[in-house]
Amino acid sequence: GNSVTQMEGPVTLSEEAFLTINCTYTATGYPSLFWYVQYPGEGLQLLLKATKADDKGSNKGFEATYRKETTSFHLEKGSVQVSDSAVYFCALSAYNQGGKLIFGQGTELSVKP
Amino acid sequence: GAVVSQHPSWVICKSGTSVKIECRSLDFQATTMFWYRQFPKQSLMLMATSNEGSKATYEQGVEKDKFLINHASLTLSTLTVTSAHPEDSSFYICSASATSGGTYEQYFGPGTRLTVT
Repeated sequence: GNSVTQMEGPVTLSEEAFLTINCTYTATGYPSLFWYVQYPGEGLQLLLKATKADDKGSNKGFEATYRKETTSFHLEKGSVQVSDSAVYFCALSAYNQGGKLIFGQGTELSVKP
Repeated sequence: GAVVSQHPSWVICKSGTSVKIECRSLDFQATTMFWYRQFPKQSLMLMATSNEGSKATYEQGVEKDKFLINHASLTLSTLTVTSAHPEDSSFYICSASATSGGTYEQYFGPGTRLTVT
């Protein structure tokens, strides 16, 4: 079946450090891939997405590239800020599933000043 | 655009009572809405998929008689937790699906914190 695996957290970084959160997936066909962010006590916000191989999604300094050969969609940011502290979820939406999302377990990021 | 609201944002109820949570898409029509449950420091667990005008599709292990879902219009879905017990205490999140550039995209509500005493 379809699944998403994320690196375990929590991840603690100093401000301006480089961030990578690994995400790999298993799916049949060509899923769409997403990164969502959840701030404490809130719902999820879409951070970025990619719908086909080699697409790069980007938003607010975050980037992720859809790598079909390695079935990965790693999240990166060159210089994190304290305000980036949140939980990040990688997710996939398989073709013909009406938008149903399958989430990874989430990675908590804590950025210290 | 694509805003989803939930009401209430938090609720405390006594064991044995029922609680209704509303999920609204404010500026778009959503033929499909999803209900999730999230435990502290865990991922979202899909409970059910709700399509306007039809019965909800529940995920395996979710009690349909306990978690009643109604999707009466293209902008409103409700989740009723019936005969709530302390173990039902959780963070409930809804999302509404819309197509964007040929793909489906889910827009999430802010969540409802339910505490059953």
